[in-house]
Amino acid sequence: EVQLLESGGGLVQPGGSLRLSCAASGFSFTSYAMSWVRQAPGRGLEWVSTISNTGGNTYYADSVKGRLTISRDNSKNTLYLQLNTLRAEDTATYYCAKEGRIAVAWSYFDYWGQGTLVTVSS
Amino acid sequence: QSALTQPASVSGSPGQSITISCTGTSSYVGGYNFVSWYQQYPGKAPKLMIFDVRNRPSGVSDRFSGSKSGNTASLTISGLQAEDEADYYCSSYTSSSTYVFGTGTKVTVL
Repeated sequence: EVQLLESGGGLVQPGGSLRLSCAASGFSFTSYAMSWVRQAPGRGLEWVSTISNTGGNTYYADSVKGRLTISRDNSKNTLYLQLNTLRAEDTATYYCAKEGRIAVAWSYFDYWGQGTLVTVSS
Repeated sequence: QSALTQPASVSGSPGQSITISCTGTSSYVGGYNFVSWYQQYPGKAPKLMIFDVRNRPSGVSDRFSGSKSGNTASLTISGLQAEDEADYYCSSYTSSSTYVFGTGTKVTVL
């Protein structure tokens, strides 16, 4: 059974930093690209970032470029998102999501974690 | 990229069919067959319902179907049931090597 378990969310002040983690199990983690998608309270889904299965290629939404960094540790089956210089508008539930096609990014998200809430407020 | 355009709400009576549209551009939706649809209940994670425009993952009811014409994709729910009441989002790959989601549609079963 595929499981994605996010952690690391919480309350942080504007300008602060946070690192989110997503522990994956139940599939060959090294074979799939992974992504982060966020959802502000009461709002729609927003794609944030994608990383290739090897970690060699990363992609970001313009709204987070330069402030958020996606990475992965294939030896630990874990996906990360480093959030820096946080703003109020970064307040959201952050979901990690698994790509649906093996070794290919840009397909669809077939499994999602339960999400972790990041609140940016003073 | 701007979000894909979806109607804010769609409603129908039990047993009826409803269709949710998702409009993009030739740079996304129109130019690729990488459109997917997600169902989301309040406070829950999204669930994949349709991928590659019209394919259903195993376990998803065949009451859900997808299609595309030009720059507009559509999700049809046939035989509407109370459990279908949820938010629905479309998504597409874009020519800029990003994903874009739709604005979301709230489905209400009358």
